[in-house]
Parts: sequence; C-alpha cells; structure tokens
Amino acid sequence: QSVLTQPPSVSAAPGQKVTISCSGSSSNIGNNYVSWYQQFPATAPKLLIYDNNKRPSGIPDRFSGSKSGTSATLGITGLQTGDEADYYCGTWDSSLSAGVFGGGTELTVL
Amino acid sequence: QVQLVESGGGVVQPGRSLRLSCAASGFTFSRYAMHWVRQAPGKGLEWVAVISFDGSTKYFADSVRGRFTISRDSSTNTVFLQMNSLRAEDTAIYYCAKDKLGVVDYWGQGTLVTVSS
Repeated sequence: QSVLTQPPSVSAAPGQKVTISCSGSSSNIGNNYVSWYQQFPATAPKLLIYDNNKRPSGIPDRFSGSKSGTSATLGITGLQTGDEADYYCGTWDSSLSAGVFGGGTELTVL
Repeated sequence: QVQLVESGGGVVQPGRSLRLSCAASGFTFSRYAMHWVRQAPGKGLEWVAVISFDGSTKYFADSVRGRFTISRDSSTNTVFLQMNSLRAEDTAIYYCAKDKLGVVDYWGQGTLVTVSS
C-alpha cells in the first residue's frame, strides 16, 4: 500500500487531454514539493515535473503539474501514442523521514 | 552528461548479503545527495534510502532499516548499498539516483537482485 494514492490506470484518445491525480497528506504533499516520473517498460524512470509544476529541460510543455493542499495533478495535453507509459508521483514525507512514491498510473492512448 | 551505472546485482539466497555499487560521472559527485530506489517485478517504485552529499546523514525506508546500509566514496564517485539478511521480498531492480534539492533528477539503468533459494 503506497503512501501516495494514484489511479491504477487512465486512458484517452490521441490528441485529447488526460489528468493523473496523486493524493497524500500534510506530512508529504501538503508540505513538500511533488515530482512526477515517466517510465516506459524495461527502462529507468525519467523526471517529468519537479517542484510541483516545473519542467526539466527537454520536457515538452504538453506536460504540466499542479498542487493544491494534499493533492497533486499531472496533466498531459495533445496525447500521443508515444506517451503510453507508467507515471509516478513522488515526494518526501517529513513524518516518516523517507521518500515516498505513488503506486503508479498506467496511461493508455486509445 | 550525468551517468549512473549500477553493479553488484545477482541471485542470492535468503538470509545472505549483497553489496550494490553505483558509479557516478558527469557531475560533481561530492555536492549531491544520492538515493537508492527499487522496483519489484511488475510493481511500482519503492524508495529505499538516501545519503547526504557528505555522507553525514542517512535515511532508510522502514522495510529495510536495520538490514541495509548506504555509504559513499567521493574519491571514486561511488555510492554503495549494503544489503544484509536478504528476504524474498527484497527481489527487485535497484536503481541508483541523483538528488538535486530534494528531487530525484537522474536515474541509473538499475541492477536486478533476486533473492531465492
């Protein structure tokens, strides 16, 4: 059971928009920055969003992040089949003194 | 560019030990904290441990505290994960990852650890 809660799967058609939620508590999301990671099968995760809403160099602006209270959201617009992957949210938990991740969300582009 | 190369994985019997290494390059190793994150087959990411830039501070997941230790050697730009009393549930790909101001920003390709008799 992950400390952060994500939906197991989401789907949308090419060109559409999808959002992935990440729910936590005051000890993690509520008081720390959230990151999002993209992982393709049999490859290492890649940083997609950091500090709630910032994109590393090279990440297209189709990807966005937001945070409100103890929840965070990843948004992807203009969906492409190449976006099919697993997406994870992550942050630090100040009570646990540990890093925490969501259980991951599998994105299907129909 | 940042490169993180893990090694030391393999098949080990329950109760035995294994030491993972992660060779870092492409950045000033001594300035950054380093993490280990694992992923069991078909499962999600699980954070394991972090060591501060100077090695003075270390944190561990509850699932490994007391069994795993993390260390670093700035003379060789290497971070280590010593895993003792291994259990079947420790079977996973272990990723080494670089930290930047609390964000895991770069990941290695991982090394597979299988705990089985």
